[in-house]
Amino acid sequence: DAGVTQSPTHLIKTRGQQVTLRCSPKSGHDTVSWYQQALGQGPQFIFQYYEEEERQRGNFPDRFSGHQFPNYSSELNVNALLLGDSALYLCASSISGRSRNEQFFGPGTRLTVL
Amino acid sequence: RKEVEQDPGPFNVPEGATVAFNCTYSNSASQSFFWYRQDCRKEPKLLMSVYSSGNEDGRFTAQLNRASQYISLLIRDSKLSDSATYLCVVSPTDSWGKLQFGAGTQVVVTP
Repeated sequence: DAGVTQSPTHLIKTRGQQVTLRCSPKSGHDTVSWYQQALGQGPQFIFQYYEEEERQRGNFPDRFSGHQFPNYSSELNVNALLLGDSALYLCASSISGRSRNEQFFGPGTRLTVL
Repeated sequence: RKEVEQDPGPFNVPEGATVAFNCTYSNSASQSFFWYRQDCRKEPKLLMSVYSSGNEDGRFTAQLNRASQYISLLIRDSKLSDSATYLCVVSPTDSWGKLQFGAGTQVVVTP
């Protein structure tokens, strides 16, 4: 049973560029959430996708956008990259409607903006 | 004020000893509570959910105090492999939505 997978594992970009990160949820999971984790901090919620729509959004600017595909996989797009966007980007999957909001994380994509 | 606050540590624990730490949360409407474990430069992994009556999973015991809005984790008979950062996590809903993370408590188990 494959867990949550993310690609790429590492990425280096320069300021102003755009980036796309990808996530495949655990088998049987239909909901994908994205988090940003800066060094020394806990993960911060970016947004959550369910049924191909953004269901909830955290305090991130519109430069952060996403998409969910019919097979439940998801993409995170960040435009006009800033130095402060350097972080570990984590994808988490879950099953909507379960009794508890248990989310399972992928290995993350480490983004460095120069 | 942060939504979830934790003592960053580190808690230096001799192998075989017991260590306990807690976190506080600000949103009284929080519904679900968890402890995640995160190893250096790895993803968070769900350690255990925290239930209102308290619960135990092997050497790990979690407690929830809704009145005082804090959650605790106790690790008995610490192993070297327990060295990690422990993240306190709350969710305002039971079944979906964002998780709110603390910044983590670092535990270092020494031989």
